[in-house]
Amino acid sequence: NAGVTQTPKFQVLKTGQSMTLQCAQDMNHNSMYWYRQDPGMGLRLIYYSASEGTTDKGEVPNGYNVSRLNKREFSLRLESAAPSQTSVYFCASSEAQGTNYGYTFGSGTRLTVV
Amino acid sequence: GENVEQHPSTLSVQEGDSAVIKCTYSDSASNYFPWYKQELGKGPQLIIDIRSNVGEKKDQRIAVTLNKTAKHFSLHITETQPEDSAVYFCAASRRGSWGKLQFGAGTQVVVTP
Repeated sequence: NAGVTQTPKFQVLKTGQSMTLQCAQDMNHNSMYWYRQDPGMGLRLIYYSASEGTTDKGEVPNGYNVSRLNKREFSLRLESAAPSQTSVYFCASSEAQGTNYGYTFGSGTRLTVV
Repeated sequence: GENVEQHPSTLSVQEGDSAVIKCTYSDSASNYFPWYKQELGKGPQLIIDIRSNVGEKKDQRIAVTLNKTAKHFSLHITETQPEDSAVYFCAASRRGSWGKLQFGAGTQVVVTP
């Protein structure tokens, strides 16, 4: 039972480079989320997808784009990486629709932008 | 929007003692309050949650209490063990928000033998 799988686990980018973080879940969850984690700031929502075919901005969307490829997969793209995007990125999924439920998180991607 | 504050930011306890982490929230429409444990190098893991129609919930050595009037909720860990050492996050969400959670800043718990 894999849960939520994120790739890659680590990445170093140069300023201005682009990359896509991949996320897939095998729990048939409707909703998926991307968060970033920075020291002392908890987890902040970047983008979310309430259901297949829909995406919406969270608290800190600038500099990012997302794609809900199908019900299983939700990718996060950095078009032109900046040092301020150095962070740990977590993907999560949930059954949430009318009633909210807890998330299942992936193991994270540690991204450094130099 | 929702704002969740969490205290303390660090907590050191002796093995066997109790640990309490408190969170306050701002949105009176929030109705779901989960707690997550994050071990070093791993993603957060749900350990317990509570809904607004319940005042207290227990699961073995952990419990969560909710005071809707004061808009705060707390995590209680009894008989702490070294494996309880981790970062703990509280969160809150409201019905109809598509499951979006607003997280607190986290509490680093260190249990010393």
